[in-house]
Amino acid sequence: GAGVSQSPRYKVTKRGQDVALRCDPISGHVSLYWYRQALGQGPEFLTYFNYEAQQDKSGLPNDRFSAERPEGSISTLTIQRTEQRDSAMYRCASSPLINYGYTFGSGTRLTVV
Amino acid sequence: GQQLNQSPQSMFIQEGEDVSMNCTSSSIFNTWLWYKQDPGEGPVLLIALYKAGELTSNGRLTAQFGITRKDSFLNISASIPSDVGIYFCAGRSNSGYALNFGKGTSLLVTP
Repeated sequence: GAGVSQSPRYKVTKRGQDVALRCDPISGHVSLYWYRQALGQGPEFLTYFNYEAQQDKSGLPNDRFSAERPEGSISTLTIQRTEQRDSAMYRCASSPLINYGYTFGSGTRLTVV
Repeated sequence: GQQLNQSPQSMFIQEGEDVSMNCTSSSIFNTWLWYKQDPGEGPVLLIALYKAGELTSNGRLTAQFGITRKDSFLNISASIPSDVGIYFCAGRSNSGYALNFGKGTSLLVTP
């Protein structure tokens, strides 16, 4: 596609539910990243994929968070047993190569009530 | 990830003025990037810097990769109302894949 597409744009879920956030990167972009951005803060790194391989997941807060990119294109970030502290804007970004600047998507605003 | 020290936190200026903001890190980076974020949107890449001492321009924007590799500067000349937004610096070291972001500089421009 022309840009990085994320869905849903907004997600409200009850505490304890699982959520899945989707990212469709720019066509042909090898590198895909997930970030989380709290209000008034810069994006915080969660995880990185090179094609389908998850090469860095050091930023995932705990084992309730997981991500996959099975065919090296679309990626899903899953949060199990959501907690209120998980509420944030979740942003996906992609780039053609590792050392290039990213293109960010518009994000998914997650609210856990 | 490591948070960068970005300053100033906010700026309120008149149209036509020049703007300077900077970012420092305790670690050495091999890449510095500057992004702008508008309300409700994702950050948009403005300038990318890959070499210490590099000075790069994009229209009215000029950014520099500090010689020490621990800092970067962004200047905006002759500001206009559409420059309003939050500007983020971001850096990457040799040891990882992640971009580390600053907390942002909020810029307001009055006509």
